[in-house]
Amino acid sequence: AQSVTQPDIHITVSEGASLELRCNYSYGATPYLFWYVQSPGQGLQLLLKYFSGDTLVQGIKGFEAEFKRSQSSFNLRKPSVHWSDAAEYFCAVDRNRDDKIIFGKGTRLHILP
Amino acid sequence: EAGVVQSPRYKIIEKKQPVAFWCNPISGHNTLYWYLQNLGQGPELLIRYENEEAVDDSQLPKDRFSAERLKGVDSTLKIQPAELGDSAVYLCASSSRGSTEAFFGQGTRLTVV
Repeated sequence: AQSVTQPDIHITVSEGASLELRCNYSYGATPYLFWYVQSPGQGLQLLLKYFSGDTLVQGIKGFEAEFKRSQSSFNLRKPSVHWSDAAEYFCAVDRNRDDKIIFGKGTRLHILP
Repeated sequence: EAGVVQSPRYKIIEKKQPVAFWCNPISGHNTLYWYLQNLGQGPELLIRYENEEAVDDSQLPKDRFSAERLKGVDSTLKIQPAELGDSAVYLCASSSRGSTEAFFGQGTRLTVV
């Protein structure tokens, strides 16, 4: 069973527009949740993570994500995207909090000038 | 501080040949991961080490894949013999005890011809 679902394979937004990338997980307990970004030819870089506490987490590069337990979601947002944000974005979970990190299939973000 | 270092960055081999990848994690990180990333997919865990012990190798195809982390620091991942379907990016990551924040190397892109 898929642990992490990213329903959008590709997303295209105009530079300066707002962004929301969706992520759902399929476990009842609250796992650790992550968003990573992968630029072409680069390794994955952690944008932000949620372990507990405040459900709105701030990350690097102006990104934020909100954990919604009722929807089993952890969507990534940015109020205004820049051309340099074009990349692949991966949602990931550590479902049992045991250091086993499972990744979604990714969403590729395209930015229109 | 140096990040996770992987070598080689690229490797092209003929099918049925052996190949090995090397990973040097961030100093002091006791957890080391090997992931496989197929084109257009998210990373999939192959094996996870805690120090020199493989604590999760359930996804490692043991008929042709092997890994070792003899002194709990560097690690090698080997494929013998390689098949065409093994063409992918092999990612190494590390994290410190209790952190669950994994830092990734740039990966080794393997092409089997």
